[in-house]
Amino acid sequence: GQQLNQSPQSMFIQEGEDVSMNCTSSSIFNTWLWYKQDPGEGPVLLIALYKAGELTSNGRLTAQFGITRKDSFLNISASIPSDVGIYFCAGHIGNDMRFGAGTRLTVKP
Amino acid sequence: KAGVTQTPRYLIKTRGQQVTLSCSPISGHRSVSWYQQTPGQGLQFLFEYFSETQRNKGNFPGRFSGRQFSNSRSEMNVSTLELGDSALYLCASSPPTAASYNEQFFGPGTRLTVL
Repeated sequence: GQQLNQSPQSMFIQEGEDVSMNCTSSSIFNTWLWYKQDPGEGPVLLIALYKAGELTSNGRLTAQFGITRKDSFLNISASIPSDVGIYFCAGHIGNDMRFGAGTRLTVKP
Repeated sequence: KAGVTQTPRYLIKTRGQQVTLSCSPISGHRSVSWYQQTPGQGLQFLFEYFSETQRNKGNFPGRFSGRQFSNSRSEMNVSTLELGDSALYLCASSPPTAASYNEQFFGPGTRLTVL
């Protein structure tokens, strides 16, 4: 199926800044997931969202499941150098699971 | 609890050969999915196995096949390799509880290079 629309494609930020990225789709999903992938490794699950409107935090990370069920965003507060990597969103409904193309985050010390 | 393991981590093959990749899910997980990741196409779903049965299949040619064993370990096979098959192949397992079924835990992947 068609992949999700994830933006921005890349971000260059200064350490300490906040970051925001989002995913949108023309289809609805029952679950939104956010992953982080380091070079040469598999994606690691950061946050899972199960209900429209749900806002969930994991340390400095906060993600929301959009009310329309067609979008989700991820915020990272007070970025640090180890936040560097590629962040992926994923939407899931039934047997359909789709991924965004990823947001490549670079954090300058 | 050990994570998802994949072997081998790196593989180099030549066109026309075949390859078998292995995945051991997290203990207790019965669903195993396979993905192909390339810079151009991103993450693309290959197939999912649950209790030794293929439950879902992506849009890949028949050269890509898989199976799952009774201990939930899974293998993926690619026959007649093409240059375009060079990619990171990721395996992911899901917990059996209905509430968290959608959460997939990925292995480190197998980097396949086809020359």
